[in-house]
Amino acid sequence: KNQVEQSPQSLIILEGKNCTLQCNYTVSPFSNLRWYKQDTGRGPVSLTIMTFSENTKSNGRYTATLDADTKQSSLHITASQLSDSASYICVVSATYKYIFGTGTRLKVLA
Amino acid sequence: SQTIHQWPATLVQPVGSPLSLECTVEGTSNPNLYWYRQAAGRGLQLLFYSVGIGQISSEVPQNLSASRPQDRQFILSSKKLLLSDSGFYLCAWSRPGQPQHFGDGTRLSIL
Repeated sequence: KNQVEQSPQSLIILEGKNCTLQCNYTVSPFSNLRWYKQDTGRGPVSLTIMTFSENTKSNGRYTATLDADTKQSSLHITASQLSDSASYICVVSATYKYIFGTGTRLKVLA
Repeated sequence: SQTIHQWPATLVQPVGSPLSLECTVEGTSNPNLYWYRQAAGRGLQLLFYSVGIGQISSEVPQNLSASRPQDRQFILSSKKLLLSDSGFYLCAWSRPGQPQHFGDGTRLSIL
């Protein structure tokens, strides 16, 4: 069964600290993996996209990694800011199918 | 540049009433189009996707239907809303292999 699991469900950190969000998947055939940021009441916005051959990709303070052997990905946020407070969703795609994780809700406190 | 518009932003409807949510995409042609529902604390659930005009694939049996009357227009409908239809509805478009681009969603409350 195609599944994407994310951990933790929620996370609270202080402004300026780093954090890492996890994504494990069982999706076949694997096409690519994306991380999205979703602000409350808004649609998700793409942060990174990685294909099978890519191990890491950065977008500013966001760095995503992918281990296709263990089917794991992580999203590392460096020097967190208050505006990073949002839900972060891992999405694995197979052809026209997009399998969404339930997200990690991140709260950054001043 | 491409943009996606979804409306209305919020909607409150009584049980048994009809529904029509509209989504349009600008700046691209022949996009793949998607309707998702997001329940509180849950992941996005794919409801329908379309790879072309008049081509609709339904992912889950439900009270809703979708139509694509034009290349860049995607409509989500219901003849009679149920309480369980409440949720946050998102429209998205993509090119094959490319990230999906989401609208800002419609929050639907059924009373």
